[in-house]
Formats: sequence, C-alpha cells, structure tokens
Amino acid sequence: DAGVIQSPRHEVTEMGQEVTLRCKPISGHDYLFWYRQTMMRGLELLIYFNNNVPIDDSGMPEDRFSAKMPNASFSTLKIQPSEPRDSAVYFCASSPDSLKGNEQFFGPGTRLTVL
Amino acid sequence: LAKTTQPISMDSYEGQEVNITCSHNNIATNDYITWYQQFPSQGPRFIIQGYKTKVTNEVASLFIPADRKSSTLSLPRVSLSDTAVYYCLVGDMESGGYNKLIFGAGTRLAVHP
Repeated sequence: DAGVIQSPRHEVTEMGQEVTLRCKPISGHDYLFWYRQTMMRGLELLIYFNNNVPIDDSGMPEDRFSAKMPNASFSTLKIQPSEPRDSAVYFCASSPDSLKGNEQFFGPGTRLTVL
Repeated sequence: LAKTTQPISMDSYEGQEVNITCSHNNIATNDYITWYQQFPSQGPRFIIQGYKTKVTNEVASLFIPADRKSSTLSLPRVSLSDTAVYYCLVGDMESGGYNKLIFGAGTRLAVHP
C-alpha cells in the first residue's frame, strides 16, 4: 500500500483565496483525521470521520474551515477565505477500526502558506 | 482526556540508550499509552503502545509501572537518525470506537555524533 496520500504537498496562496487540500486514506481504514501543525500550537486535531461520517469537528477553528468525505477513499479540507494565520502544515491520517490498534498512519502533509 | 507531561528536549550521543519519561497522573482505567515519533517535514509515526508492565518491539521498549501514572520510552543504542520529536499520548482503547488522541509538545531528542 502506498500509505496515506496528500495533495498538494505545498500550496502558496494569497489571502482571501479558497484553498482545498486532498487526502486519500489507506484502503480499508475506517477512520480519517485532519490535523494542523504550527510552531506555536503544535499538532492539533481538526476533525475526524468514521465510515465517511464526521464524528467530531470541535477542533475546526472557525466557519472558514470545512471538511468532507464523499467516499471511503477521498477527503477534502477546504479553507474559504484563507488568511495568513492559516499558514501551517496540514496532515491527514487514517486508522483501521480495531480495538487493539489505535495506530494512526499519517500522510506526508501539505505545507500551506497564505500571503 | 488525561494530560501528559514530558521533557521539552533531550540530548544524547550515538550508541547510548535513551529513556524518555512521560507523566500522566490522571490516566483512566481504560487508557492506553502510545508513543509517536516525528521527523522534520514528516507526519508522526507510531512507535509503541502499552497498557501495563513492559512492551517491546523492534524499535523500542515501553516501561509502565504498576500505578500507570508514568511511562518510559526506551530507545536502545540510538543513532543520528533517531533525532526526532517523541510524543507521549494516552487514550481510551476499549470503548468500542475511536477516541481522539491529543498530541502535546513532545520531547525533542537530539542525537550527537
């Protein structure tokens, strides 16, 4: 398996523009997570899905952020409009539905820069 | 969710054993202890997980005392490539579903030649 795939790897945009980050989880994994990492705040969980259904979005910073998972193999995180403070590395992770293995497999991340 | 406390940074030299201790005084009965490793410009990677006593895999060992209020990640004979941030997390594993894990600041380990 290729692991969790994220695109783009780098994104530079201007304030006010819409940004869409994409994620393909590992096949067969039932859980998908979106994280944001900054120097100031560390690694923060934004939202997670179970079987394509959003379970907890309490970490989504504000209404400008939205996430969807239309099917088991694809998820998007959208920021509209983007602001400079959204600059961060955004990670997607997936996990199998297992009582024993709560291991999350992280993608390589998308480095977002909002000018 | 149980809060964890770990040293901000540690230094070591190649070939030495490194022990990183994490405190989790409010750990709940159903909580498991999990450690992740993150290299620069990469996502975190699962290292090891345990509930009590000792767990060992090909990468590390995890020591958990009887009261489970702390745990120690042991990395045998570190190399330069072990330079990374190490996160200690606790989370409920037996609720039948997933419980979100909270990443703290982690311990930044620097291995020197």
